[in-house]
Amino acid sequence: GAVVSQHPSRVICKSGTSVKIECRSLDFQATTMFWYRQFPKQSLMLMATSNEGSKATYEQGVEKDKFLINHASLTLSTLTVTSAHPEDSSFYICSAGDGKGPQHFGDGTRLSIL
Amino acid sequence: SQQGEEDPQALSIQEGENATMNCSYKTSINNLQWYRQNSGRGLVHLILIRSNEREKHSGRLRVTLDTSKKSSSLLITASRAADTASYFCALMTTDSWGKLQFGAGTQVVVTP
Repeated sequence: GAVVSQHPSRVICKSGTSVKIECRSLDFQATTMFWYRQFPKQSLMLMATSNEGSKATYEQGVEKDKFLINHASLTLSTLTVTSAHPEDSSFYICSAGDGKGPQHFGDGTRLSIL
Repeated sequence: SQQGEEDPQALSIQEGENATMNCSYKTSINNLQWYRQNSGRGLVHLILIRSNEREKHSGRLRVTLDTSKKSSSLLITASRAADTASYFCALMTTDSWGKLQFGAGTQVVVTP
């Protein structure tokens, strides 16, 4: 089946650091990728939809200047958490799909801001 | 916002027993999907059922959909310890532009 690779799997860094998370579709072209945030024992919250070659679409309440998304190719989308603070600590997950069928998820990135 | 509501929130069963979890929703859907998440990992797609379908099977999994009641169920038969995970329903609504809206999830623990 389709494979989505997410890197890094875990990041621990100091407050004020910017952190980049990569999401790659390994065996298919993903014109659309999705970024989610998940708090412990809770569901996934969609943050933004990443469209190849165009600006990302952010969900209500998500700061686009805080969470920068770039989707420069059909196989790579990146999420950069700028000037991260402890409240940004969370589990971030990307997925890719065709908008009709199932989405294929990366393994997530555990972000811990000290 | 979560559009799907799942129950139970948690389920603890013995190996060999069946596990049933339910998902209710309020909007119109194109399809409803079920996913599994092992602790600290990404989600794995299990089954997609379209709005014009009533039942689908995949191995030990059975999904039903009742659009009149706006509800779906996931049944895991003859459960195994390896089925321990969180299970989420996800809605692809008619106005979602390809986005999925996830339920709160059911945490299933299968003990040997």
